[in-house]
Amino acid sequence: EAGVAQSPRYKIIEKRQSVAFWCNPISGHATLYWYQQILGQGPKLLIQFQNNGVVDDSQLPKDRFSAERLKGVDSTLKIQPAKLEDSAVYLCASTRGSTNEKLFFGSGTQLSVL
Amino acid sequence: AQKVTQAQTEISVVEKEDVTLDCVYETRDTTYYLFWYKQPPSGELVFLIRRNSFDEQNEISGRYSWNFQKSTSSFNFTITASQVVDSAVYFCALSGHSGGYQKVTFGIGTKLQVIP
Repeated sequence: EAGVAQSPRYKIIEKRQSVAFWCNPISGHATLYWYQQILGQGPKLLIQFQNNGVVDDSQLPKDRFSAERLKGVDSTLKIQPAKLEDSAVYLCASTRGSTNEKLFFGSGTQLSVL
Repeated sequence: AQKVTQAQTEISVVEKEDVTLDCVYETRDTTYYLFWYKQPPSGELVFLIRRNSFDEQNEISGRYSWNFQKSTSSFNFTITASQVVDSAVYFCALSGHSGGYQKVTFGIGTKLQVIP
């Protein structure tokens, strides 16, 4: 079974530029999550999708972050414009159904904003 | 709101020593789930264990064991006879209701270094 795929693996941009990350969850997994992990901290949920609908985006900075999962499969997370404090690893995870199940994580995208 | 506290930010042990990673949680839910994940230097978080709030049985899996105590809101993780490959950051997590949503909250992690 293929795992959660993420790209790119690394990204370096200057502040005020835009950036996009892509995630393809495990086949058949209805729920997809984007987490932000700042160095030395635990993952923080940005947004959770159930199929192509948003379940929870309460911690997503909507003035600069956006995410979509149009066909209920893969997803894109965008930051526009980026700030220095957005430097972090962006992790995508998926589960078959609810948050009570174990999360399957991708390798993450390490973003550096200069 | 729910919260997970991992008071130990970094631990160093010599290979073959036993080590316990502490996790204390807060939640108002009566039904919730607790998890441990491992994040090796490669970066990908790997699931280790899940425990629901009604199951206080301790669990052992090889060199790993988990002690869940609802009375003290703790879910501690012990590695017996540690090995260099155990070096990683370990996260405790709680799935419950917070801010009107069912979500998973992670602790800040404990970085374990096993010295040969």
